Amino acid sequence: GAVVSQHPSRVICKSGTSVKIECRSLDFQATTMFWYRQFPKKSLMLMATSNEGSKATYEQGVEKDKFLINHASLTLSTLTVTSAHPEDSSFYICSANRQGLNEQFFGPGTRLTVL
Amino acid sequence: QKEVEQDPGPLSVPEGAIVSLNCTYSNSAFQYFMWYRQYSRKGPELLMYTYSSGNKEDGRFTAQVDKSSKYISLFIRDSQPSDSATYLCAMSRGNTGNQFYFGTGTSLTVIP
Repeated sequence: GAVVSQHPSRVICKSGTSVKIECRSLDFQATTMFWYRQFPKKSLMLMATSNEGSKATYEQGVEKDKFLINHASLTLSTLTVTSAHPEDSSFYICSANRQGLNEQFFGPGTRLTVL
Repeated sequence: QKEVEQDPGPLSVPEGAIVSLNCTYSNSAFQYFMWYRQYSRKGPELLMYTYSSGNKEDGRFTAQVDKSSKYISLFIRDSQPSDSATYLCAMSRGNTGNQFYFGTGTSLTVIP
């Protein structure tokens, strides 16, 4: 149990386009989902915390108008990178907190390349 | 000072060796301590999860937490080439939905 999926696994897009990444908890309900960004050989950088049915809480320095997060249900959260630029190229990983437990289960990540 | 400090390595050991990975932290409010394994270009996978001080063993893996020293360790016995990955420590204050604080990760290579 506790499987988290992400789609797409890899995306290449042109500068100026928007990209949507989906994060789903497949076999459990996730009250809280987290979005991270990871640069090569670096640790996870928390971008935002999203709770089902409410607005996401963004970390300092993360533009909420640039990185739109929607957590519409207990099994789905989406991250939309709006007007993507080459500096947004990174590995984006989501995690889900199983309802009632303090464990985070990670998705496989999405590699975004902006040309 | 960072919340969590972890030696990034890289660490290279021969197959069969005992590996010791460590993290220190500064926030005494942390109560939950985790170790994640991350293979290249993959999401982190939860390896060990412990609450408060003490030891926890799972197969070849042993996690130790010393809250008085603010120090946690992960030991890997009889290391295998398949253990080659980056190991991330993480900790939180508790309560569902609490932020996790991650170490920078230690890159481990087990040489056959």
